[in-house]
Amino acid sequence: QSVLTQPPSASGTPGQRVTISCSGSSSNIGSNYVYWYQQLPGTAPKLLIYRNNQRPSGVPDRFSGSKSGTSASLAISGLRSEDEADYYCAAWDDSLSGFWVFGGGTKLTVL
Amino acid sequence: QLQLQESGPGLVKPSETLSLTCTVSGGSISSSSYYWGWIRQPPGKGLEWIGSIYYSGSTYYNPSLKSRVTISVDTSKNQFSLKLSSVTAADTAVYYCASLEGGNYDPNYYYYYYMDVWGKGTTVTVSS
Repeated sequence: QSVLTQPPSASGTPGQRVTISCSGSSSNIGSNYVYWYQQLPGTAPKLLIYRNNQRPSGVPDRFSGSKSGTSASLAISGLRSEDEADYYCAAWDDSLSGFWVFGGGTKLTVL
Repeated sequence: QLQLQESGPGLVKPSETLSLTCTVSGGSISSSSYYWGWIRQPPGKGLEWIGSIYYSGSTYYNPSLKSRVTISVDTSKNQFSLKLSSVTAADTAVYYCASLEGGNYDPNYYYYYYMDVWGKGTTVTVSS
């Protein structure tokens, strides 16, 4: 199983606000930045949020990230059909010699 | 605008070595602002980071794969490569290469370099 814990699925209707959680520990989320990736069906992951709450250029401000303690969240407001995708959180983990860890992914369905 | 493209055999026999290359375009692999990495995704599953390399050749690997992984860089070709030895069916996956952006951070602090631009991925199947 994945080091970071995400719900396997989430859903919402167009226009709604949806949040996806990501739970970790003191060795990863608790002491390092959190990143979020969007993976549309059949495509490579795309960076959505970096360093907890920063958006790369081109990512709509409907997407926002937050972190508190050993947990993080991705919020999507004004949900659109094209947001239907898998979402992954990631963080650096300080244990062992250090390595990147991911959540298991959350499949977002737009009803 | 950075672009990355994976290439290599799509089929590898069990116990053999998987070899992939990532070609970087739109920028120099010798840029001090980037590390370069490999990530994989088994069919229907999540993402797993394999390892990363700096243009100087400095590497760091996932502890769970470290004994079988070698990542190297060829600055003259603007490419970096992955070798994974003694493969089994469990290594069947889509393999992605990616740039890890770090801005002005000291490259010794490699944990500040995050996966930014990804290649499209290449499917590798391990089967006899």
